[in-house]
Amino acid sequence: DVKVTQSSRYLVKRTGEKVFLECVQDMDHENMFWYRQDPGLGLRLIYFSYDVKMKEKGDIPEGYSVSREKKERFSLILESASTNQTSMYLCASSPASSGGYTFGSGTRLTVV
Amino acid sequence: GENVEQHPSTLSVQEGDSAVIKCTYSDSASNYFPWYKQELGKRPQLIIDIRSNVGEKKDQRIAVTLNKTAKHFSLHITETQPEDSAVYFCAASPYGQNFVFGPGTRLSVLP
Repeated sequence: DVKVTQSSRYLVKRTGEKVFLECVQDMDHENMFWYRQDPGLGLRLIYFSYDVKMKEKGDIPEGYSVSREKKERFSLILESASTNQTSMYLCASSPASSGGYTFGSGTRLTVV
Repeated sequence: GENVEQHPSTLSVQEGDSAVIKCTYSDSASNYFPWYKQELGKRPQLIIDIRSNVGEKKDQRIAVTLNKTAKHFSLHITETQPEDSAVYFCAASPYGQNFVFGPGTRLSVLP
């Protein structure tokens, strides 16, 4: 009964690599979000999107970009991975009419 | 912008006791307050939420209270069980969309 799917559970990448994190939802939600989760810092918003081809910066967008070419898919891109981007990345979606998020299982990214 | 604080950061209770986690928010425009439970290695899941036109909401052993004047809301878990052990996040939403999360509370229920 998984409704928000993140393509990878664990990833190890090298410094300087371009990294793609994929998220797909099957609930026809308008809104999609990317968060990173770090111990003691909770969940911090990187980017979000309220519609196809629309994107807005969250609280910590530096070093990241996103793509939303289709309603169901929201991709997070690390243009040049750095060790300080080692983290758990969580994708979430919600309907336009507001309400709780549905989260994906997360991708634990390690940059070495 | 919105800022959400959450206390305590860790909480240990004996099985059967109650647990209370409190959050404060800064933006008076926030009108939606969800609580998420994240078990170890799993995704955060919505367990209860409250809107600003309601002061209290209950769902079996969990309840949330909201004090708009003081800008705080609390999660109450009664008759705690070992499966309640998890990290709990509160959030506030100014316009029903972007959530600002608290830093989380690690609850341990001791047998």
